[in-house]
Amino acid sequence: AQTVTQSQPEMSVQEAETVTLSCTYDTSESDYYLFWYKQPPSRQMILVIRQEAYKQQNATENRFSVNFQKAAKSFSLKISDSQLGDAAMYFCAYRSPVLSDSWGKLQFGAGTQVVVTP
Amino acid sequence: GAVVSQHPSRVICKSGTSVKIECRSLDFQATTMFWYRQFPKQSLMLMATSNEGSKATYEQGVEKDKFLINHASLTLSTLTVTSAHPEDSSFYICSARDLGLAGGTDTQYFGPGTRLTVL
Repeated sequence: AQTVTQSQPEMSVQEAETVTLSCTYDTSESDYYLFWYKQPPSRQMILVIRQEAYKQQNATENRFSVNFQKAAKSFSLKISDSQLGDAAMYFCAYRSPVLSDSWGKLQFGAGTQVVVTP
Repeated sequence: GAVVSQHPSRVICKSGTSVKIECRSLDFQATTMFWYRQFPKQSLMLMATSNEGSKATYEQGVEKDKFLINHASLTLSTLTVTSAHPEDSSFYICSARDLGLAGGTDTQYFGPGTRLTVL
C-alpha cells in the first residue's frame, strides 16, 4: 500500500512571504496522481492543485505551485505572496492509476497546518 | 469546480437512534462516492467506497452493519449511522468522483461535512 508523509505538523509564514510544504510518498507504481487539498476552519476540503506523474512539468495554479521530483518521490507545495485566507490545514494526497484502483481512492498525508501572520 | 452538497451540516441525536446523512453531486454524475471520518486535528480516514447500483466496499475495521451506505442514483449517496453511540460522534465527510467526462479532469470533490454528536 502507498503511504504519504507530511513531516511538518505546522508552518508559519508572514503575509506576502513564501512558504513551502513538504510531502513524500512511497509507491512502486509509475503512473499516478498527486493532489494538494486545503481545509480551512470551515472544514470544507478544497482542491488546490493536481499533478499527473507522467507530466514532467510542475503544475501551477496562480500563487500555488508544486515541485514534483518523481525519482525522489517528493511533491512539495509552494505558496507565494501568502494571504490571511491561506491559513488552513493542507493535505497531500496520492491516487493510484486506474489499472491499479479503478475507484480512484485517495491516500492522504497527516496534514500541515499553515498559520499566516500579519 | 464541481459542487458537492451534504445534509445535514450538524446533527445531535440520542444514543441508540439512527442518523442519515445525504451526499449529492449537484452538477455532475458520480458513479463513485466516498465516505470519510475525521477526528479533530487529524487526517481524513476513508470508511467506504460507494458505487452506484452496487454494494459499498468498506475499509478494514469499519462495521458494515453500523454504517449503512446506499448509492441509489448517480447524484446521491447516503450514510446511515445505525444505533448511534457517543463514540460515533465525529465529523463525516463525503466526496464524489467527477470523471471529467464533460471536459474537466478526473478529480474528487468534497462535501462540506456533517458534524454528528451522539448524546
